[in-house]
Amino acid sequence: EDKVVQSPLSLVVHEGDTVTLNCSYEVTNFRSLLWYKQEKKAPTFLFMLTSSGIEKKSGRLSSILDKKELFSILNITATQTGDSAVYLCAVEVGGGADGLTFGKGTHLIIQP
Amino acid sequence: DAGITQSPRHKVTETGTPVTLRCHQTENHRYMYWYRQDPGHGLRLIHYSYGVKDTDKGEVSDGYSVSRSKTEDFLLTLESATSSQTSVYFCATTRDRGQGTQYFGPGTRLTVL
Repeated sequence: EDKVVQSPLSLVVHEGDTVTLNCSYEVTNFRSLLWYKQEKKAPTFLFMLTSSGIEKKSGRLSSILDKKELFSILNITATQTGDSAVYLCAVEVGGGADGLTFGKGTHLIIQP
Repeated sequence: DAGITQSPRHKVTETGTPVTLRCHQTENHRYMYWYRQDPGHGLRLIHYSYGVKDTDKGEVSDGYSVSRSKTEDFLLTLESATSSQTSVYFCATTRDRGQGTQYFGPGTRLTVL
């Protein structure tokens, strides 16, 4: 059974701090790993990673994948209150199965 | 956003009644998905479609059926709603498998009393 585990499940930090969110996975026939941000509504896409060791970056957010150790991290630097959200990690597999397998998410709260 | 709408956005119903949720997309995406989101479980795949009249089961398909008669519409039916189906339901689409990125609709909050 495919499995995606995120840690921590919740995190409270102060504005300006840097945070690292973790996602590990055990799946057969890995195709890609995706990060989403969810703020009390639909998840919105952040990154898709397919290759190991290549950092994806968007402003203060960045993510990297390690296919050997089967994990990914999402970094947020200089956090702002608007970064408060649930961050979801999901894995897409190939070879006939479909849909995404999601972790339970990390609930990030940024205090002013 | 990929032009995905869901209806209704909120629904309260009683145990044993049939319920149909609709997902409509304007992007001509081939693949469509229904997920449910529950506290402590995250998002879980119910059913998906890889084309008109082509559907398959996901992880939590028991008690649900789907239909796709047009590219743009994907319907999720609860034949006889139960309280365990109280959840937030999200529709998602993607152009092709391997694209990875799925775009999500706004969600439907369903309460079964």
